[in-house]
Amino acid sequence: GENVEQHPSTLSVQEGDSAVIKCTYSDSASNYFPWYKQELGKRPQLIIDIRSNVGEKKDQRIAVTLNKTAKHFSLHITETQPEDSAVYFCAASRGFKTIFGAGTRLFVKA
Amino acid sequence: EAQVTQNPRYLITVTGKKLTVTCSQNMNHEYMSWYRQDPGLGLRQIYYSMNVEVTDKGDVPEGYKVSRKEKRNFPLILESPSPNQTSLYFCASSPRDRGLGLYFGPGTRLTVT
Repeated sequence: GENVEQHPSTLSVQEGDSAVIKCTYSDSASNYFPWYKQELGKRPQLIIDIRSNVGEKKDQRIAVTLNKTAKHFSLHITETQPEDSAVYFCAASRGFKTIFGAGTRLFVKA
Repeated sequence: EAQVTQNPRYLITVTGKKLTVTCSQNMNHEYMSWYRQDPGLGLRQIYYSMNVEVTDKGDVPEGYKVSRKEKRNFPLILESPSPNQTSLYFCASSPRDRGLGLYFGPGTRLTVT
């Protein structure tokens, strides 16, 4: 079946550094790519998304890039802060179906 | 306050005892969906609904049922729960014009013994 691979599974950075999380999807018909942040014990929350007709999108310290040819998209967090520590999930959607990556646990060390 | 609510938040039950997890949203969203979250597997889609009386299977529908009789409610039914359905369950909703950017409920932690 279709799947989304997410790497790395764990990422540790120093406060102020950048963090990059990468995802690859298998369904070439996917056309919507959201990213969610889940803090410990909380629900996932949408932080940024990108559609298949856009190559890059930025919102303050976070940005997402999409390479449709390679079926690859990435989340970039700049100037990381301790409150960025969480699990991040990428997802790929086609129609009404959404497939999530397995998640990346990000630790930001103060 | 715009929100998605789920009940119960925690449930411990025994194999074979039918249960229902309720989900309700007050944002008039057309789309609703159920996911289960298991360590190392991310979130997996169980069922989704595009609108009232319209539902379809996600990736892991076995052992689950849903119904969408009203726009705001989307209950998840486990007719005969088994231990492999022990998981954290999330309901989510989205407006039609937001693609599938989801608003999640607070989650229901289910343990089946």
